[in-house]
Amino acid sequence: TQLLEQSPQFLSIQEGENLTVYCNSSSVFSSLQWYRQEPGEGPVLLVTVVTGGEVKKLKRLTFQFGDARKDSSLHITAAQPGDTGLYLCAVPNAGNMLTFGGGTRLMVKP
Amino acid sequence: NAGVMQNPRHLVRRRGQEARLRCSPMKGHSHVYWYRQLPEEGLKFMVYLQKENIIDESGMPKERFSAEFPKEGPSILRIQQVVRGDSAAYFCASWEQGHEAFFGQGTRLTVV
Repeated sequence: TQLLEQSPQFLSIQEGENLTVYCNSSSVFSSLQWYRQEPGEGPVLLVTVVTGGEVKKLKRLTFQFGDARKDSSLHITAAQPGDTGLYLCAVPNAGNMLTFGGGTRLMVKP
Repeated sequence: NAGVMQNPRHLVRRRGQEARLRCSPMKGHSHVYWYRQLPEEGLKFMVYLQKENIIDESGMPKERFSAEFPKEGPSILRIQQVVRGDSAAYFCASWEQGHEAFFGQGTRLTVV
């Protein structure tokens, strides 16, 4: 059983559609991070959420941390082909070691 | 300020050979992490090093795998007697207190 379960695993949509991906756990976290990884590249940090119920916006991306700090969601509005990639949630421990979810692989078709 | 540099980007080894993967952290970063990523999966923690010390190697197989981060020079992940199951992308990330971790572009190891 993974500490972080991400869903869906794969998502293929048309340009302009909206989508939401999820990161769920039975554990409580002090913070949670979202990364995007493009093919052939390393993960790049998008956002860190810390407070239960927190909502952060990054252009067309909206991140929410659950009230109980056990889960998080990423919503993309009007997806574009440039949003294509692997979206990973991760939680850091005290030594900043990251535990990653399995990821959601998003493909946005023009 | 150069980012995290990994080399080589691609490495092909025959079964039984040794693979040496290098990671130069960002300037000023003294913490390095190595992760392994299999196709279609997330990243799995392998080892955490601070200059000259292994802090946590709980994710690294005890046989054939070793890692070091010397006082001078890059961090090295060494895989001896590689097998097909070692084929994966290996990422390192560097970090300093109070800052986020930054990832390199990875080394894609293929064992033939």
